Amino acid sequence: AQSVTQLDSQVPVFEEAPVELRCNYSSSVSVYLFWYVQYPNQGLQLLLKYLSGSTLVKGINGFEAEFNKSQTSFHLRKPSVHISDTAEYFCAVSASGGYQKVTFGIGTKLQVIP
Amino acid sequence: EAGVTQFPSHSVIEKGQTVTLRCDPISGHDNLYWYRRVMGKEIKFLLHFVKESKQDESGMPNNRFLAERTGGTYSTLKVQPAELEDSGVYFCASSQEGLAGFQETQYFGPGTRLLVL
Repeated sequence: AQSVTQLDSQVPVFEEAPVELRCNYSSSVSVYLFWYVQYPNQGLQLLLKYLSGSTLVKGINGFEAEFNKSQTSFHLRKPSVHISDTAEYFCAVSASGGYQKVTFGIGTKLQVIP
Repeated sequence: EAGVTQFPSHSVIEKGQTVTLRCDPISGHDNLYWYRRVMGKEIKFLLHFVKESKQDESGMPNNRFLAERTGGTYSTLKVQPAELEDSGVYFCASSQEGLAGFQETQYFGPGTRLLVL
């Protein structure tokens, strides 16, 4: 089984400042990793995913994440946030191979301050 | 292309009543998943359909929950009778059939917010 720990429940950050949302996972098998975002009153949207290959993954809206196998981490970063990035961000993991259920973290609320 | 749709968007019912949630996946997606988020907790997997068959229902909380997927198209999730702890947001997701060993991206609907009083 897999588990995900999102270390910060809320992250306030000023507009145009950089941000890092932390995610650690636990698994005894190879994994796929995901970041989803939920804007207010909307469904979950995939930001980016790591399946294999390059450990630096670029996603939509200027976000990127780096898979670090030794530290079992998949932190999400953006060099300069915008007001519209205010949302809840979910890190998620699934076992690699075939059809696997996705295990989510508890979510991190990013609040961008003007 | 239409995304995953869910109905209703909100439902408020009394304890003991029955509620049925509906999910329409993206056309052509064989995989359909149900998830639930109880307030303040993680989004948790409930079950997974491949076409009309239940592939994995290990996350279903108890036998008050019944999921069906008629003809491999839309799916319903019925809660009968509803209890207070069933309150939360119920998400549906769908994905295409992937090549062996490849996880196709799951596309999520907006969720149904269920409140049991």
